[in-house]
Amino acid sequence: DAKTTQPTSMDCAEGRAANLPCNHSTISGNEYVYWYRQIHSQGPQYIIHGLKNNETNEMASLIITEDRKSSTLILPHATLRDTAVYYCIVRVGLTGGGNKLTFGTGTQLKVEL
Amino acid sequence: KAGVTQTPRYLIKTRGQQVTLSCSPISGHRSVSWYQQTPGQGLQFLFEYFSETQRNKGNFPGRFSGRQFSNSRSEMNVSTLELGDSALYLCASSLALDSNSPLHFGNGTRLTVT
Repeated sequence: DAKTTQPTSMDCAEGRAANLPCNHSTISGNEYVYWYRQIHSQGPQYIIHGLKNNETNEMASLIITEDRKSSTLILPHATLRDTAVYYCIVRVGLTGGGNKLTFGTGTQLKVEL
Repeated sequence: KAGVTQTPRYLIKTRGQQVTLSCSPISGHRSVSWYQQTPGQGLQFLFEYFSETQRNKGNFPGRFSGRQFSNSRSEMNVSTLELGDSALYLCASSLALDSNSPLHFGNGTRLTVT
């Protein structure tokens, strides 16, 4: 599976944009970049995903570099409830289809007043 | 739309016993995957089912098994429980098998083996 590298932790002031980087230099052309977050004792929450183009939804924006070797998740106005572990995942297609996600250690985002 | 529902939320079992966990996917979702989360190993893929067939399997011993029913609901079973099986077991569902279909997770079943 394509490996991802994320900072271990980041801090962000409430109301400011949180920019979470992810490196995935070995990504292949047909592999999607997914972002999930996990708040303690809950299941991972899907945030956004993309292949080549930048994507935006009600939760966040995903910026993928032109060479697709890195991406940035942007939470435009972080709140205390955005404090969580954020996982960047390169989703690899499996033989016969499949949905295996390989989670790394993620980035612990702490949003503070 | 209801999310992925896992039952029970918490479970305490004794070493050597067996346990069955249940997962109801989002309505219309046909793929169900199971993951184990522990502090030491993080989130690890167990297996995936689609149309009642196991499509993929992770690196877990045969004590871990699962099945999917015709209504897409899924169960996983762990036999001969070991202390190391204590973990949060997460179920995820998706619309289809392709890489463009996001997985949506439930809040898991917390299993404690004593």
